[in-house]
Amino acid sequence: DIQMTQSPSSVSASVGDRVTITCRASQGISKWLAWYQQTPGKAPRFLIYAASNLQSGVPSRFSGRGSGTDFTLTISNLQPEDFATYYCLQADTFPFTFGQGTRLDI
Amino acid sequence: QMHLVESGGGVVQPGRSLRLSCAASGFSFGSYGMHWVRQAPGKGLEWLAIISYDGSHDIYSDSVKGRFSISRDNSKNTLYLQLNSLRREDTAVYYCAKDYCDTGRCPYGMDVWGQGTTVTVSS
Repeated sequence: DIQMTQSPSSVSASVGDRVTITCRASQGISKWLAWYQQTPGKAPRFLIYAASNLQSGVPSRFSGRGSGTDFTLTISNLQPEDFATYYCLQADTFPFTFGQGTRLDI
Repeated sequence: QMHLVESGGGVVQPGRSLRLSCAASGFSFGSYGMHWVRQAPGKGLEWLAIISYDGSHDIYSDSVKGRFSISRDNSKNTLYLQLNSLRREDTAVYYCAKDYCDTGRCPYGMDVWGQGTTVTVSS
């Protein structure tokens, strides 16, 4: 199975800051990576697909990039509603696998 | 508005079985592959299984292969997950989710999720 490793595991930031989360795959997955946001008690929200494509309705302060094994999610101008846990998902090869999550705290 | 609603969770003893359901609305259910994902208390997301749009193919994670079975009834717009030989470590919130694409192999992930149903395995 492909292992997905996110870093950092947690990060503290303030409203207005810019934060970057990294996801590394144990083998190449081309651009087949998605990002999700989850707040406590809620289902995951689909943010980005194919590494850099913003899902409809997702604010443009979210951006993704990368290919192969290294990917990033950047959130610019942090808003209060952005404080959540973020997961990457590799959708290249079954079984799909998630990163362990990155908690973004105030 | 695309919508998924899971049901069927509850408290069950180790070794017993449970069937989860996921009712879909607001999209052409029979055109999309569907997934199950779970989240143990305080832990991350774990992908479990996928079934093709027509139910002809399915794939499982190693952690549930042979114990869990995914199925669907397109006439009822409903997805199922049969959980057999349950273990304490199967305690989790179980989510159903829709594949992003409506044609064949889709490497984009899951775009629509239900609210989840909680399964607790305990004696």
